[in-house]
Amino acid sequence: KQEVTQIPAALSVPEGENLVLNCSFTDSAIYNLQWFRQDPGKGLTSLLLIQSSQREQTSGRLNASLDKSSGRSTLYIAASQPGDSATYLCAVRAGSYQLTFGKGTKLSVIP
Amino acid sequence: GAGVSQTPSNKVTEKGKYVELRCDPISGHTALYWYRQSLGQGPEFLIYFQGTGAADDSGLPNDRFFAVRPEGSVSTLKIQRTERGDSAVYLCASSLGSPGNNEQFFGPGTRLTVL
Repeated sequence: KQEVTQIPAALSVPEGENLVLNCSFTDSAIYNLQWFRQDPGKGLTSLLLIQSSQREQTSGRLNASLDKSSGRSTLYIAASQPGDSATYLCAVRAGSYQLTFGKGTKLSVIP
Repeated sequence: GAGVSQTPSNKVTEKGKYVELRCDPISGHTALYWYRQSLGQGPEFLIYFQGTGAADDSGLPNDRFFAVRPEGSVSTLKIQRTERGDSAVYLCASSLGSPGNNEQFFGPGTRLTVL
């Protein structure tokens, strides 16, 4: 059974810092990996999707990498801003279309 | 509409009652998913539709839970004889459903509270 772990569970950084969020998964036979952002009381916003054949994806200040063989992905956020404060969730798609999620990393960016 | 919509946004019910939660996917998306998110946890898969049929319902916790998508668009998640443990946020997502592109787009969720 696929398991997804996100470390750390919570992170607090001063505004302007670069930061890295980590995601690991137990079964490397995945089709893709998706990073989401969730604001309190809200649904999920898709940030980046990396196909299994890709190594990284970039969108603005966000860069996600994928190392399928080692079962790891990282989300890099450059020049963090208070508006980046949210919970970040990593999810993998394996054999079926369903996503398996981690518990998330709660990010606080302090002005 | 521009995104996935879900109604109601909040639902409070009493133990033992029946509830229905509705999801409107993005127009043209053939795949639709239901997930459940408990406090402090990531979403957990419940059921996946491809068109009108339930292609994978392996995540439904028991036979009190049922979902339909009769015309291949709107879906309804139905919970019978609700229990306090059913309290959670129920999230719906949709995607194009093609094998090569499964990017899922989520709605705002329905927060269900069973008293």
